[in-house]
Amino acid sequence: NAGVTQTPKFQVLKTGQSMTLQCAQDMNHEYMSWYRQDPGMGLRLIHYSVGAGITDQGEVPNGYNVSRSTTEDFPLRLLSAAPSQTSVYFCASSYSMASGLSSYNEQFFGPGTRLTVL
Amino acid sequence: AQSVTQLGSHVSVSEGALVLLRCNYSSSVPPYLFWYVQYPNQGLQLLLKYTSAATLVKGINGFEAEFKKSETSFHLTKPSAHMSDAAEYFCAVSDRGTGGFKTIFGAGTRLFVKA
Repeated sequence: NAGVTQTPKFQVLKTGQSMTLQCAQDMNHEYMSWYRQDPGMGLRLIHYSVGAGITDQGEVPNGYNVSRSTTEDFPLRLLSAAPSQTSVYFCASSYSMASGLSSYNEQFFGPGTRLTVL
Repeated sequence: AQSVTQLGSHVSVSEGALVLLRCNYSSSVPPYLFWYVQYPNQGLQLLLKYTSAATLVKGINGFEAEFKKSETSFHLTKPSAHMSDAAEYFCAVSDRGTGGFKTIFGAGTRLFVKA
């Protein structure tokens, strides 16, 4: 299994340009998420999906769109890039693991995309 | 709302010394807690997790963490640091109430290991 793959690894954009960060997983996980990582701020959730056709906003969704047409793919779209979106972006997939009467998710991360917006 | 606080953005230890990385959580319900490690230019990988089965949790690479409800803490320890432990470590919490799929991460602690 390739696990979670992300493309591209590096990208430089100019302000106002749009682009799509690709994410794919081959583990048949139902959940997928996008995070951004900024120095001193840990990882912040942008958008997530609990299954094909179902997405929801996370902590910092503004300026980003997502869709989930298949279980495997979860692309992140930057509509009009801004310098504040310079960051490292991580995609993660997970599945529910039962624990007593409830459940939790263990996240599997991709290698990241380093994005610079000039 | 859940949150985690990692005390110390940088920790430096000598090779062979005890590693202690601190994490305190805030959650209105019994939490699920995780430690992840990130090596340079890589994604995060799971070190260990607390799911209420046992308060002392053992993970990979000799790390362990103890869940202390009275102190709302989940500190990460390793008896003897190795150069290869140099990385950034993230504590994370997820809420059982939401099905556990929303994971909140701390700001991270970068571990330096001196020869």
